[in-house]
Amino acid sequence: QSALTQPRSVSGSPGQSVTISCSGTSSDVGGYKYVSWYQQHPGKAPKLLIYDVSKRPAGVPDRFSGSKSGNTASLTISGLLAEDEADYYCCSCTGSYSMVFGGGTKVTVL
Amino acid sequence: QVQLVESGGGVVQPGTSLRLSCAVSGFTFSRYVIHWVRQAPGKGLEWVAVVSSDGRNKYYTDSAKGRFSISRDNSKNTLYLQMNTLRAEDTALYYCARTENDFWSGFYVWGQGALVTVSS
Repeated sequence: QSALTQPRSVSGSPGQSVTISCSGTSSDVGGYKYVSWYQQHPGKAPKLLIYDVSKRPAGVPDRFSGSKSGNTASLTISGLLAEDEADYYCCSCTGSYSMVFGGGTKVTVL
Repeated sequence: QVQLVESGGGVVQPGTSLRLSCAVSGFTFSRYVIHWVRQAPGKGLEWVAVVSSDGRNKYYTDSAKGRFSISRDNSKNTLYLQMNTLRAEDTALYYCARTENDFWSGFYVWGQGALVTVSS
């Protein structure tokens, strides 16, 4: 199973919005509602931001939003804060009883 | 407080075995699907395996099939990952992670990880 494709890095100034794409195929992202997104700060465990494409767990700010179009999912961070500087990973289930992550995107707050 | 605590990591030689444990507290372990996810040093996340709440259904990433075995003891609130014939590329921080509703919806709660280093 090939990893999902994410940009290596994105950046934005405080208050701006950034969008991270996650490209897959009809056998993963495009075929299922099970796309999730994670934030990981250095030396820390990942944290769930989005599940089932666009749902937010309790406690996750509404600045984080998810969507999907065809085989590509997206995570948008609105009103960028310094604390949002981290690595972000998308994840999808596949048609073969497995899950696959994206390669990760480093978000830099300028 | 919901907690998952991994243990059993260490430095081992290629071709040997290791068993990781994930002890949980703060929730009814037997109701939840649990996954193993790993992260090689400086690299991204990689899904490894999953086990159903009753332990009957298990699925693995291709590189783990035939070498790794996921299991659970609901009476001990503990998840296991038996890793055999270890390779250098298995070197990683291994996380256990709990889902919320079903197998594939996402990893809601994570442990802090157990480091496995495979080196001669």
